[in-house]
Amino acid sequence: EPEVTQTPSHQVTQMGQEVILRCVPISNHLYFYWYRQILGQKVEFLVSFYNNEISEKSEIFDDQFSVERPDGSNFTLKIRSTKLEDSAMYFCASSDSGGSNQPQHFGDGTRLSIL
Amino acid sequence: QQPVQSPQAVILREGEDAVINCSSSKALYSVHWYRQKHGEAPVFLMILLKGGEQKGHDKISASFNEKKQQSSLYLTASQLSYSGTYFCGTESGNTDKLIFGTGTRLQVFP
Repeated sequence: EPEVTQTPSHQVTQMGQEVILRCVPISNHLYFYWYRQILGQKVEFLVSFYNNEISEKSEIFDDQFSVERPDGSNFTLKIRSTKLEDSAMYFCASSDSGGSNQPQHFGDGTRLSIL
Repeated sequence: QQPVQSPQAVILREGEDAVINCSSSKALYSVHWYRQKHGEAPVFLMILLKGGEQKGHDKISASFNEKKQQSSLYLTASQLSYSGTYFCGTESGNTDKLIFGTGTRLQVFP
């Protein structure tokens, strides 16, 4: 069964450094998402992306965050200047179309640790 | 506003049943249910759309009452593999972002 893949599985970075998290969504999917989950808490929406642009973003997704689909397969999340509170599990998800009746399939996540 | 799930935690013996509830203060278009095991990604279980439908998936089923803005997940004859944290994700408008609930931790013991 096709799946969403994320790399790296664990990223350790010094505070203030830039970090790029990578995702390869399921190949025929058109909608892409980033979520984060702080340890022991719920999953929080960050951003959705369709047709090479952001379709929606949350309050968490401030100017320090950006997303890009640099080629036909990768979908990246960049955090420009990381803070301690950015430490979390970051999940990428994709769906074959948008809308409320489509499941979002999640990758295994990248654990980001900011020191 | 995030949906509220109840109970926060459930402990079961294998074969017992459980109900997990998800309530929202906003009108809902759909409710998505996911199960997440420790250290893993959320795994999609099912979607319920407005219209008050019910769905089943093996011994796991769910209902959606849009008037009450509530969904319930029913786990019958629980198995050890059902252990994990269950999240509901809701959509409330012309949007495809999911707002996840507070989670319900389910532990099934032999």
